[in-house]
Amino acid sequence: ETGVTQTPRHLVMGMTNKKSLKCEQHLGHNAMYWYKQSAKKPLELMFVYNFKEQTENNSVPSRFSPECPNSSHLFLHLHTLQPEDSALYLCASSQDPGQYLNYGYTFGSGTRLTVV
Amino acid sequence: DAKTTQPPSMDCAEGRAANLPCNHSTISGNEYVYWYRQIHSQGPQYIIHGLKNNETNEMASLIITEDRKSSTLILPHATLRDTAVYYCIVRPAYSGAGSYQLTFGKGTKLSVIP
Repeated sequence: ETGVTQTPRHLVMGMTNKKSLKCEQHLGHNAMYWYKQSAKKPLELMFVYNFKEQTENNSVPSRFSPECPNSSHLFLHLHTLQPEDSALYLCASSQDPGQYLNYGYTFGSGTRLTVV
Repeated sequence: DAKTTQPPSMDCAEGRAANLPCNHSTISGNEYVYWYRQIHSQGPQYIIHGLKNNETNEMASLIITEDRKSSTLILPHATLRDTAVYYCIVRPAYSGAGSYQLTFGKGTKLSVIP
C-alpha cells in the first residue's frame, strides 16, 4: 500500500454506462492528480487539483468529469466512453506545491478500465 | 514531449549493481531530475530526485554529471523485485504554468536476471 487507494481495481463498462472511479489519500497531501496509461503509450496527465481547485485540464474530453470534494478524495466520473478509453487510470497525490516543487508524487495502484 | 532520453531496455544480473543512464541535454538550471519506476500493473513509485549534487537514499543513488546533461540511477544490489520500467523525468524546481506536469517518457525496462 502506498497511501493512495483507488477503487475499483478493475472495471468493465458499456459505452452507454455511467461509472465513477474513486481515489483516497490520507498522507496529508493537498494536490491530487489523474493520469491515464494506455497500452504501449506513456502516462498522460489528465487533471490536477490543488487544495480542491482544478488547476490543470490537459484537453481531456468532457466524457471524463473530475470531482474533488476535499483534499483527501478525488473522483473521475465516466459517461458515454469509447473503447479507445480503455486504459489504466492512475491517481496520485503530492504535498502542497507552494513555490518550490521539491517533492515526489505518490501513486495509487490504478483502476484497469475496459470499455466494451 | 519528454525532455529525457533513455535506453529502451537493459538486463542486470541479480545481486549486481544496475546502472541506468539518462540524457537530459536541454535541462535548465532550475530543473530537477526525478526517477520513478513502475512494476508491472502497478502505479509508478518515486525513487529519488536531485538538482546538482549526487543523492542517495535507501533505494538508490543518483549521480548527476557536472554539466547536468546526464545522470545515472544506481541500484546497488539488484533483486528480482527491481524488475520494472524506470522513468527519468526533468521537472521545474519552481511553481508556474505546467509545473505540476510529470512528463513520463517510455523509460527503460530493466530485467533483473537470476
